[in-house]
Amino acid sequence: EVQLVESGGGLVQPGRSLSLSCAASGFTFSDYNMAWVRQAPKKGLEWVATISYDGTNTYYRDSVKGRFTISRDNAKSTLYLQMDSLRSEDTATYYCARHVMDAWGQGASVTVSS
Amino acid sequence: DVVLTQTPPTLSATIGQSVSISCRSSQSLLDSDGDTYLNWLLQRPGQSPQLLIYSVSNLESGVPNRFSGSGSETDFTLKISGVEAEDLGVYYCMQATHAPLTFGSGTKLEIK
Repeated sequence: EVQLVESGGGLVQPGRSLSLSCAASGFTFSDYNMAWVRQAPKKGLEWVATISYDGTNTYYRDSVKGRFTISRDNAKSTLYLQMDSLRSEDTATYYCARHVMDAWGQGASVTVSS
Repeated sequence: DVVLTQTPPTLSATIGQSVSISCRSSQSLLDSDGDTYLNWLLQRPGQSPQLLIYSVSNLESGVPNRFSGSGSETDFTLKISGVEAEDLGVYYCMQATHAPLTFGSGTKLEIK
């Protein structure tokens, strides 16, 4: 069974950093491009970032470029999202997903507030 | 960025009724490789999204065949032939033909 389990969410002050992890199991992690998608409270889905299967290529939405870093450790089957200089508008549930969007984690809640 | 416009924003249906959701794209979603990367997802209340349909009309494994997708270029439709209670939630179209990947604003399906 394909499983994606996020961790690391929480409450953080504006301007501070937070790191999310996503542990994958049930499939060959290193075969898949992976993504982070977020959903602000009561809002729709918004793609955040994607990383290629081997980690050599990364892509970001404009609003997080230079602040967020997506990475992966294929030996640990784990996806990461390092979020720096957080803003209130980054408040959302963050989902990790296979880039083809056929598997999603349960989500990690991130609240940016003073 | 590609804008996906979904209509209607809200849909109310009785059990057994057939319904359709429209997704219109601001650009053609036909890729240079010949595929059209338009997917449909369902997010049930309190749950993560799940993939229903990929590449316009291909049913994801395990998804009931009352769901079907059609369309081309810029106009796409998701049809549910005989709504069941478990179908309530928010339906999203999404495109992966053009970077960045984008989602429609969602259609909320309510059961009468």
